[in-house]
Amino acid sequence: QVQLVESGGGVVQPGRSLRLSCSASGFTFGTYGMHWVRQAPGKGLEWVAVIWHDGSNKYYADSVKGRFTVSRDNSKNTLYLQMNSLRIEDTGVYYCARDAGREGNFDSWGRGTLVTVSS
Amino acid sequence: QSALTQPASVSGSPGQSITISCTGTSSDVGSYHYVSWFQQRPGNAPKLMIYDVNKRPSGVSNRFSGSKSGNTASLTISGLQGEDEADYYCSSYTSTSTWVFGGGTQLTVL
Repeated sequence: QVQLVESGGGVVQPGRSLRLSCSASGFTFGTYGMHWVRQAPGKGLEWVAVIWHDGSNKYYADSVKGRFTVSRDNSKNTLYLQMNSLRIEDTGVYYCARDAGREGNFDSWGRGTLVTVSS
Repeated sequence: QSALTQPASVSGSPGQSITISCTGTSSDVGSYHYVSWFQQRPGNAPKLMIYDVNKRPSGVSNRFSGSKSGNTASLTISGLQGEDEADYYCSSYTSTSTWVFGGGTQLTVL
């Protein structure tokens, strides 16, 4: 079955960097677009970024544009989110989610990894 | 990229039907069929309940249905059950090739 496992979260100071990973299994990773979605403590979902199946196109939320970079390694079935110049408001649980296109955008989600930006 | 507008909370009694609205603009909900709904229980990841406005993924109860009119999408849950108590979020594709979520609606089953 589809499995997505995020890792790389932790506590980091404002202005520093962090790289998140999302390891995929149970499906042909290289044929699906992938999203990052975050959720601040006690708040709603916020879409962060999407990358096409082959990495040819990437789009970002205005709140992270220029600071975050989404990438993927289809040979390793892994999605990444490089987060630079982190701000306190970037704190939250970061989920990766699969985009199954005609069978549903955001059809499968990982359990998330917590990022805490604090001095 | 303003969030879609959802009511903060709705409630209903077991067996009743409830509807949650999701209002966007002509740049997102009003222009695309890519509206989805998610259920999130405390401590859990979101779960896809409806996609492409009104399609249900395999395994999702047919008590859940979706619709759209103009810039507003709706999720209806019929025959309300205690297990439906959760937060619900809508999402939509946008004209800038990005995605946007609603602020979320807390459903209470009385």
